[in-house]
Amino acid sequence: DGGITQSPKYLFRKEGQNVTLSCEQNLNHDAMYWYRQDPGQGLRLIYYSQIVNDFQKGDIAEGYSVSREKKESFPLTVTSAQKNPTAFYLCASSPTGGTESYEQYFGPGTRLTVT
Amino acid sequence: DQQVKQNSPSLSVQEGRISILNCDYTNSMFDYFLWYKKYPAEGPTFLISISSIKDKNEDGRFTVFLNKSAKHLSLHIVPSQPGDSAVYFCAARISGGSNYKLTFGKGTLLTVNP
Repeated sequence: DGGITQSPKYLFRKEGQNVTLSCEQNLNHDAMYWYRQDPGQGLRLIYYSQIVNDFQKGDIAEGYSVSREKKESFPLTVTSAQKNPTAFYLCASSPTGGTESYEQYFGPGTRLTVT
Repeated sequence: DQQVKQNSPSLSVQEGRISILNCDYTNSMFDYFLWYKKYPAEGPTFLISISSIKDKNEDGRFTVFLNKSAKHLSLHIVPSQPGDSAVYFCAARISGGSNYKLTFGKGTLLTVNP
């Protein structure tokens, strides 16, 4: 089964600690994305990567970092500099090139709670 | 500045009736639009899309209409079913080039009552 996996489903951390969220895809997609969802805010883009070893900041990148060392993996680190880290985090991927590339496929999400 | 707007946070309809979800956009460069459906604590799933060269696209119970001059699109669900209860996100993209980002609206919570 092809798809996107995010682990864990729920994550709890103490304030001041960095935490890394996992995202893996076996769809052979070049592009990967991280979003966060807050109540009433929709999906806001944190970072995206369109090719291995390259990534760009999205609309709300402050306090986050990413890496893209492998095509299948795009981990997101929520650093202690992120002022409001508690949120639902969604990873997505898409092919590049052609009309099918407009559709992004989403993982099941990770609910991060920082206290 | 919100480029994709879903002005109705919620919508409630009776089972069997039509659901109409609306979306407005401000960026005239957007030329491809998608609708996603999302259940609580799950990732969004793709529902239907439309290119700006069309004004209508239909897939079963779901139809998306695009009015380019008004920068407005709508998703019609007929007939509505209780399983359609979810948050619906409108998304837009500028096609061409090497940027594959989607810009999402804030979503509309649809509740279909039995």
